[in-house]
Amino acid sequence: QKEVEQNSGPLSVPEGAIASLNCTYSDRGSQSFFWYRQYSGKSPELIMSIYSNGDKEDGRFTAQLNKASQYVSLLIRDSQPSDSATYLCAVNMAAGNKLTFGGGTRVLVKP
Amino acid sequence: SAVISQKPSRDICQRGTSLTIQCQVDSQVTMMFWYRQQPGQSLTLIATANQGSEATYESGFVIDKFPISRPNLTFSTLTVSNMSPEDSSIYLCSVRRGTGREQYFGPGTRLTVT
Repeated sequence: QKEVEQNSGPLSVPEGAIASLNCTYSDRGSQSFFWYRQYSGKSPELIMSIYSNGDKEDGRFTAQLNKASQYVSLLIRDSQPSDSATYLCAVNMAAGNKLTFGGGTRVLVKP
Repeated sequence: SAVISQKPSRDICQRGTSLTIQCQVDSQVTMMFWYRQQPGQSLTLIATANQGSEATYESGFVIDKFPISRPNLTFSTLTVSNMSPEDSSIYLCSVRRGTGREQYFGPGTRLTVT
């Protein structure tokens, strides 16, 4: 079992719709969770961080964390073609102060 | 966040040679990391660069192949030694500031080994 798992996609979403991305992790002691956006040929850009159970909203992005289920998600509301990218879930595992990345979910927003 | 620069941005190297990648941050940071992203893959941590001491390497990565220096709190280098085509990847520097948990990435160095 991979430590951080994501559906590779592509997740195809019509413009204006909600894109829902999921991530599960194996280490129950994990405390910090992040979502990065990576455009093709570019480096990852941090878009959301979440540390407590529940929802965290920032503009069109909402991160949701459920530690009991070891599950973190990202919602992108009113999806735009510019949101087309790969979204990486990253978890700071309890053992070691370092990030472990999922494989990424490719999102395609179609006009 | 932090302003992070890397040099070179890309390079094409011959098998058996070495390349040193530089990472410069605009202000002092507590932690610096080096990652590799192979084509079509996610990020893999190579090592944590420790200021004034030897880097901490992840399983599968060794100092002889990937020597790392961090002489101060704003600068680090990663050398890819005795390169083979399998080393063709994007190499990324990443930092954390102060006691923060958020981590930021530099623009990356795209390495092609022929």
